Amino acid sequence: ELKVEQNPLFLSMQEGKNYTIYCNYSTTSDRLYWYRQDPGKSLESLFVLLSNGAVKQEGRLMASLDTKARLSTLHITAAVHDLSATYFCAVDRGRGGADGLTFGKGTHLIIQP
Amino acid sequence: NAGVTQTPKFQVLKTGQSMTLQCAQDMNHEYMSWYRQDPGMGLRLIHYSVGAGITDQGEVPNGYNVSRSTTEDFPLRLLSAAPSQTSVYFCASSYSLGYQPQHFGDGTRLSIL
Repeated sequence: ELKVEQNPLFLSMQEGKNYTIYCNYSTTSDRLYWYRQDPGKSLESLFVLLSNGAVKQEGRLMASLDTKARLSTLHITAAVHDLSATYFCAVDRGRGGADGLTFGKGTHLIIQP
Repeated sequence: NAGVTQTPKFQVLKTGQSMTLQCAQDMNHEYMSWYRQDPGMGLRLIHYSVGAGITDQGEVPNGYNVSRSTTEDFPLRLLSAAPSQTSVYFCASSYSLGYQPQHFGDGTRLSIL
């Protein structure tokens, strides 16, 4: 059974600081996704990581994938309040997305002035 | 372009009632999935489909049925609602090629009394 674990589950940080969210998963997979969810809203795709060593960056967010360690990280640089949200990692269950995704429990991120 | 449309947005049911949550996408996506989101649990896969006429069970399928008679529509049926099915339900779709991220609808917030 594929398991996806995120940590921390809750993070409160100050603007301007750096931090990393970790996503560990239990089976071999080359495909990992990061999503953002604002309160009461839907999920928005942030990054798609498709191979070992993949690194993607968008603004103050950078995601990476190490398939050997079964680990993905989401790094936040110089956090700003607008990045407050819940962040989910999700792993492909198989067949290139045909079998759906298994999600972590999410990291609830609050960025304070 | 509407994307993934879910109806209704909110619903209150009594225990034992049945209902259908509607999901439609206009992006000609082959893959579609249903997830439920509960506090502190992330999203869990209920059922998924790789194309018209083909469906399969996800992680938490009990108490739910699906069908996929067209590429566009993927309704989720609650057979006999139970309080444990109180949740937010998300429908998602994606292309079959290129490991594209799933696009999510706005969700249906369902309460069962």
